[in-house]
Amino acid sequence: EAQVTQNPRYLITVTGKKLTVTCSQNMNHEYMSWYRQDPGLGLRQIYYSMNVEVTDKGDVPEGYKVSRKEKRNFPLILESPSPNQTSLYFCASVAGGKVTEAFFGQGTRLTVV
Amino acid sequence: GDSVTQMEGPVTLSEEAFLTINCTYTATGYPSLFWYVQYPGEGLQLLLKATKADDKGSNKGFEATYRKETTSFHLEKGSVQVSDSAVYFCALSRSSASKIIFGSGTRLSIRP
Repeated sequence: EAQVTQNPRYLITVTGKKLTVTCSQNMNHEYMSWYRQDPGLGLRQIYYSMNVEVTDKGDVPEGYKVSRKEKRNFPLILESPSPNQTSLYFCASVAGGKVTEAFFGQGTRLTVV
Repeated sequence: GDSVTQMEGPVTLSEEAFLTINCTYTATGYPSLFWYVQYPGEGLQLLLKATKADDKGSNKGFEATYRKETTSFHLEKGSVQVSDSAVYFCALSRSSASKIIFGSGTRLSIRP
């Protein structure tokens, strides 16, 4: 089954404690992205990757890091989380070329206290 | 830059009512347009899409037509069901596929 898998689904952490949210896709898609969803703001792109070892900033990259060492994986790293990073996070992948619709993971609800 | 504006929610309707959720966009050229749906506790999933002017996307009884002259992509359904209760996002993307721009989402609740 084609899917994007994120882990964990829920995470509560303390300010400053490094964390990683994993994302994996099994569709051999070129593009992967991270979004955060906040009430009234829709989804905003944090980072995206066009292929292995190629990443770039989205609209709200401050406080986040990503890496793309393998095509299927695109982890999101928060080196020093702060309460304003409390949000619902989604990973998405896109095949590329003429196919531009995205497949989304189920989301990670992060709370930073 | 590109942007998407959709009607504010929440929208509450009775079962079998007619649904319209308005969406307009600002973009140069001819982006692809999408409606995504997010059911409670789940990620977004593609509902329908249109890739060029006058295209009509349709799925599960929902329809939307790409109107270049009014820069709109309104979502419609003739008879909604309780199971349609969800958050609906209008979105656009370009051929590069590196970025999808979303509207703020419209929460739809259907009463039995």
